[in-house]
Amino acid sequence: AQSVTQPDIHITVSEGASLELRCNYSYGATPYLFWYVQSPGQGLQLLLKYFSGDTLVQGIKGFEAEFKRSQSSFNLRKPSVHWSDAAEYFCAVGRYSGGYNKLIFGAGTRLAVHP
Amino acid sequence: GAGVSQSPRYKVAKRGQDVALRCDPISGHVSLFWYQQALGQGPEFLTYFQNEAQLDKSGLPSDRFFAERPEGSVSTLKIQRTQQEDSAVYLCASTIAGEETQYFGPGTRLLVL
Repeated sequence: AQSVTQPDIHITVSEGASLELRCNYSYGATPYLFWYVQSPGQGLQLLLKYFSGDTLVQGIKGFEAEFKRSQSSFNLRKPSVHWSDAAEYFCAVGRYSGGYNKLIFGAGTRLAVHP
Repeated sequence: GAGVSQSPRYKVAKRGQDVALRCDPISGHVSLFWYQQALGQGPEFLTYFQNEAQLDKSGLPSDRFFAERPEGSVSTLKIQRTQQEDSAVYLCASTIAGEETQYFGPGTRLLVL
């Protein structure tokens, strides 16, 4: 069965430091992969997505992610974190069937940013 | 509209009450999804509509959960005889046909006492 694992439940970084959030997936075919961010009381905002092609994808707010098929990973990175990046981050894989994508989410990583 | 809207944003229900949660998708979006997000967890798929047709309801946890989208736009998720385990944030998402990216609403936070 398809699944997504985010090994880090909570991460704390200092403002200006680099960030990497890990995501591993289990999926039988080429996956559609997504990173979403959720701020308190808000819905999910799409940061970036990977469907095919270049394995390094750029997203909004200075985020990027790299798809590594051999490691079944899609880690999210940012070179310099801002205080406003504090939020919960969700990795998801799209299970495509019957003309639509059913998203399967990881449990999320909560990011705290120290000034 | 500018985005997916959901109402109410917060709902407190006594155990055993029925509740109805509303989702207004982005105008023109034919696909609509409902997800349930328990505290500390990622969202989990509940059901999927294409226009007014409910094509997938495999994620609905029990027959107390019912969703409809009669005119292919606004959708309502109804929970009958609510239980404490139904407490969660219910998220709605919409997308255009053939588009992989789902656009999420702010969610309805349901608390069952």
